[in-house]
Amino acid sequence: GAVVSQHPSRVICKSGTSVKIECRSLDFQATTMFWYRQFPKQSLMLMATSNEGSKATYEQGVEKDKFLINHASLTLSTLTVTSAHPEDSSFYICSASSPGFTEKLFFGSGTQLSVL
Amino acid sequence: AQSVTQLDSQVPVFEEAPVELRCNYSSSVSVYLFWYVQYPNQGLQLLLKYLSGSTLVKSINGFEAEFNKSQTSFHLRKPSVHISDTAEYFCAVRTGSGNTGKLIFGQGTTLQVKP
Repeated sequence: GAVVSQHPSRVICKSGTSVKIECRSLDFQATTMFWYRQFPKQSLMLMATSNEGSKATYEQGVEKDKFLINHASLTLSTLTVTSAHPEDSSFYICSASSPGFTEKLFFGSGTQLSVL
Repeated sequence: AQSVTQLDSQVPVFEEAPVELRCNYSSSVSVYLFWYVQYPNQGLQLLLKYLSGSTLVKSINGFEAEFNKSQTSFHLRKPSVHISDTAEYFCAVRTGSGNTGKLIFGQGTTLQVKP
């Protein structure tokens, strides 16, 4: 089946630094990728939707200058948390979809970000 | 706006006992409904989905869920659970067709199967 690889699985950084999270579709072309954020004991909250080659669409309340999303190829999307602060500490999950997999999303295993 | 509520944050159950994980949604339009499972240290995996047709949908590992439009529910059930079913379960709703609709997730329910 289709596989989405998310890297790194865990990252610890200092406040004020930037962190990049990668999401790769390994055996299919991901025309659309979604980025979610999950706080402990809470649901996954959609942050943004990105289509290959175009600007990401951010959900209300999500700062696009803080969470930079790039989807330059059909197999790779990146989320960069710029000038991270402790309140950005969270679990980030990407998911990918493809026209060949109607109504189905494939999820990465997530990235636990801890900002000190 | 759509929303999903999973009424139980944790459900402890003994092995071979039946289980029901509850999910209610709110939406003013037609929806597609999903259950995802997340095993420890793994990504979310689709367990089952309701798109149209029969309101009772089943997974290959014995889970089933029934879409109840009048009660706006999509509860997940299994008649006899195994230790390996221990995981986090997420109910989700999506509007729109194809790959353009956004998934809205519930808070998740931790199923703890005890020997």
